[in-house]
Parts: sequence; structure tokens; C-alpha cells
Amino acid sequence: GQSLEQPSEVTAVEGAIVQINCTYQTSGFYGLSWYQQHDGGAPTFLSYNGLDGLEETGRFSSFLSRSDSYGYLLLQELQMKDSASYFCAVRDAGNYGQNFVFGPGTRLSVLP
Amino acid sequence: TAGITQAPTSQILAAGRSMTLRCTQDMRHNAMYWYRQDLGLGLRLIHYSNTAGTTGKGEVPDGYSVSRANTDDFPLTLASAVPSQTSVYFCASSESGEGQPQHFGDGTRLSIL
Repeated sequence: GQSLEQPSEVTAVEGAIVQINCTYQTSGFYGLSWYQQHDGGAPTFLSYNGLDGLEETGRFSSFLSRSDSYGYLLLQELQMKDSASYFCAVRDAGNYGQNFVFGPGTRLSVLP
Repeated sequence: TAGITQAPTSQILAAGRSMTLRCTQDMRHNAMYWYRQDLGLGLRLIHYSNTAGTTGKGEVPDGYSVSRANTDDFPLTLASAVPSQTSVYFCASSESGEGQPQHFGDGTRLSIL
């Protein structure tokens, strides 16, 4: 089976940097993805790490360490619009690799 | 605008009744997914389809069925609804291959009374 752990809540101020961690346990591993979801909205894709290291996309970066079964999402220069829930997700190696598992989500609150 | 369309937006259903949630995409994606989202539990995969004509079970398939007659449509059916199926249901699609992003519909809010 698979399980992912994330902090339930994180609070930061505008302009700050925040890191959201994700640890996972899977029977197989095809990479770690991150999604953002605003209240009442649909999840939207942010980033994907298939290999160890840092991936950067604008103000957002994502890191993966497969040996530690650990990854994080780094948000820089926080803006009020970044207040949302953030989910990490992995793809199970079984079921033809299409069984996705999402973490419980981290609710980020950005304060003025 | 290209994307995924889900219908209805919301529905109240009596327990024991059947219901089909509709999902249509116009991106010609091979893979499609149905998730349910409950407070504090994130998204849980119900069923998926790698390509038209094939379907598979996800983490919580019991009480649900799907079909994939063509590339664009992936309906989810509740044969006999129960209150525990009260949830927000999201349909998603993606291209095949590693790291392909999933594109989500706006969701269907379903209440079973």
C-alpha cells in the first residue's frame, strides 16, 4: 500500500518563504507531484519530480530525495493568492502505474 | 475553452437511488480518473481508465462503476446511493507517460440523504 504524510497547516506572511514537506511510503515509485487547490475550486498541477533534485518553476520549486522517501514544495515571495491547500501525490507502480494516491493536504494561510 | 466538463454541479439524492455523474474532456487525453474528496482526507481515487475500452479500480471503488466507451467520456455511476457517498467528486484526465499533469474538472457536490 501507499501512504503520504504532510503537515495539516502552515501559516506565513506575505513576501516570506515557506516549505511544505511530504513523506511517502509506497510499494513502487514513479515520481512525486504537487497540486494546488483553492477553497471551492479544482486541484491544479504545480510540479513533478521523477528524479532526485530540485525543479524550479517561477516562485515555486519542488525537491525530491528518493533515498529518504521525502520531498518538499518551496514557495517564495508569498502572495495572498497563494493561500490554498497543497497536495503531494505519488503514482503506484501497480495497476499499470495509474493508481494515484494523494496526501491529506496542507492548508497554507498567507497573512498580510 | 478546452478542458473537462462535469455535470451536474451539485445534486441531492435520496439513499437507494441511482445516479450517473458525467465527465467529458476535449483534450484527447488517454487517461481519465474519478476521485472523491472528503474533508481532511484529500483526494481518493475511485476508478481510472488508461485508454478507451479499459477501466481499473482505484483505492475506493466499492459502490461505484465506470465505463469508457470512447476517449472523451468517462461517466461514474452509483447504482444504489448510500449516505457515506456524500462527497465532492472530481473527474480528471491526463496524457499517458511519466509526470503528466492531471487536469481536473470543477467537481460535482453530491449529498445523499
